Amino acid sequence: AQKVTQAQTEISVVEKEDVTLDCVYETRDTTYYLFWYKQPPSGELVFLIRRNSFDEQNEISGRYSWNFQKSTSSFNFTITASQVVDSAVYFCALSEAWTGNQFYFGTGTSLTVIP
Amino acid sequence: NAGVTQTPKFQVLKTGQSMTLQCAQDMNHEYMSWYRQDPGMGLRLIHYSVGAGITDQGEVPNGYNVSRSTTEDFPLRLLSAAPSQTSVYFCASAQATGELFFGEGSRLTVL
Repeated sequence: AQKVTQAQTEISVVEKEDVTLDCVYETRDTTYYLFWYKQPPSGELVFLIRRNSFDEQNEISGRYSWNFQKSTSSFNFTITASQVVDSAVYFCALSEAWTGNQFYFGTGTSLTVIP
Repeated sequence: NAGVTQTPKFQVLKTGQSMTLQCAQDMNHEYMSWYRQDPGMGLRLIHYSVGAGITDQGEVPNGYNVSRSTTEDFPLRLLSAAPSQTSVYFCASAQATGELFFGEGSRLTVL
């Protein structure tokens, strides 16, 4: 079974619009970690955020915010006032403590911001 | 800061040839892993290691071999390349429960 699901394959928005990227995960572990990575057209993978399962506080970093809800097993990512530089593929990932740090990635959401 | 270094960045092989993708990290991370990225498939784990002398299979290990003789190095070997192994390969390392640090990727084409 897919441990991390990113149902949105591709999203297009017009610059300055807000956009939310969905991530749903599956785990039986009580201790786990959630991550978001960005992959711009240049191809490198850029770490954005790490969250542990005991910290459900939402986080904001500039135009980026993350909504972690254990009740729905979701860890959604919102970009406010999107910019062309936000165009990239975004990956959500899960790491479970009991597997020794093995990571599971979603299939990614390709975001295109149209100027 | 070098971080995670992968070589080569590009490689073209003929079917049946063998090669090794090199990966080195200078952050003293115990955990290292190899992923392949194919269109629409996300990042799929090939092999991983939780420390020197310890390796294990990931989701797609067939056709690949790894070893971990030192903390720093985690080479990925293709024993007999097949066109299905055409992909972009990423090496990554992490501290326990920390985020993955990725190399720049290696684009492999098997003809």
